[in-house]
Amino acid sequence: QKEVEQDPGPLSVPEGAIVSLNCTYSNSAFQYFMWYRQYSRKGPELLMYTYSSGNKEDGRFTAQVDKSSKYISLFIRDSQPSDSATYLCAMSAGANSKLTFGKGITLSVRP
Amino acid sequence: DSGVTQTPKHLITATGQRVTLRCSPRSGDLSVYWYQQSLDQGLQFLIQYYNGEERAKGNILERFSAQQFPDLHSELNLSSLELGDSALYFCASSPRGGAASPEQYFGPGTRLTVT
Repeated sequence: QKEVEQDPGPLSVPEGAIVSLNCTYSNSAFQYFMWYRQYSRKGPELLMYTYSSGNKEDGRFTAQVDKSSKYISLFIRDSQPSDSATYLCAMSAGANSKLTFGKGITLSVRP
Repeated sequence: DSGVTQTPKHLITATGQRVTLRCSPRSGDLSVYWYQQSLDQGLQFLIQYYNGEERAKGNILERFSAQQFPDLHSELNLSSLELGDSALYFCASSPRGGAASPEQYFGPGTRLTVT
């Protein structure tokens, strides 16, 4: 079993839709939960991170962590064509520690 | 732009050869991480350096090695290259250690093609 599992997708939605992206994990030591966005042929770009359980909101993006279920989510409201990219969840056991990534899901937002 | 730079952008080389990938972290960042991204394995951690010292190792092959220099730039050396080493190689840097700084900022990557 992989430490981090992510829905493989791809996912295609119409512009304006609410998008829900999810990951599950098995390692109880993970404390930091991050979401990265990667455009084709570019490096991953950090969207947001959450420490332990709870919610965090940044503009149209909301990250949720449920440590009891070992489940994290990223919600994108009012999705835009510019949101079309690959989204990767990542986790670490501590600050200044390696990241363990999901395999990523490719999102396409149709105008 | 994350502030992390990597050179070269692309490398095409033959099996058995050796290459060096270079990374300059964001100004002030002491930690450098190297990751490999392939279609089948996704993004995999290779190795971490902190202020010149090796800090952690992942599934890095013995044919691969890295170092971090006093000016904090890092190099990843890949030798006896095989076709399966073709991948995107990313470096990332993170701010000074501490509970409040888990973020890692990624460079644009080096695309390695082994023929």
